[in-house]
Amino acid sequence: NAGVTQTPKFRVLKTGQSMTLLCAQDMNHEYMYWYRQDPGMGLRLIHYSVGEGTTAKGEVPDGYNVSRLKKQNFLLGLESAAPSQTSVYFCASSYLYGEETQYFGPGTRLLVL
Amino acid sequence: GDSVTQMEGPVTLSEEAFLTINCTYTATGYPSLFWYVQYPGEGLQLLLKATKADDKGSNKGFEATYRKETTSFHLEKGSVQVSDSAVYFCAYSGGYQKVTFGIGTKLQVIP
Repeated sequence: NAGVTQTPKFRVLKTGQSMTLLCAQDMNHEYMYWYRQDPGMGLRLIHYSVGEGTTAKGEVPDGYNVSRLKKQNFLLGLESAAPSQTSVYFCASSYLYGEETQYFGPGTRLLVL
Repeated sequence: GDSVTQMEGPVTLSEEAFLTINCTYTATGYPSLFWYVQYPGEGLQLLLKATKADDKGSNKGFEATYRKETTSFHLEKGSVQVSDSAVYFCAYSGGYQKVTFGIGTKLQVIP
């Protein structure tokens, strides 16, 4: 089992460009999450999904969109990147929302110039 | 609102020293509590957890006890190794709510 994988590992964007981060899990988990990690702020939830075809906003959703067309995939989109979106992005998945262990991907480091 | 408080660090210890990383939380109800660890260049992984008051979670020599009376879940290890150098995150889950993470405490263990 690969667990949770993320693509790409690193990306540099110019302000205004768009991109999509891909997260895939092979554990048949219902729940998936996107977080961003910034120095001094820990992990903040961007969006999450409680199942295929569903998405919901987290703590910091502005400037991001997500889609969960297949159970194993959760995509995070930036339509018009801003320097404030420079961060490390982590995807996670879990069997149950909140109670159970979350399994994290290795992260995507994004730099917006 | 609900929150988790832990020191950011870095905490620098010599090998074989005793480790304590404090974690306190503010939450309603009866949350589950977690410690996650992030090694350099990797994602977070669960280190230990406790789901009810007075439970003790343990793994790889680390321990933490769920103290409801003090709303705390302090992480301890009797003898740290260089390989324990990482960032440690305290977190809680209040049931059908999102998991709230602390800011993370960076631990550096020197030989």
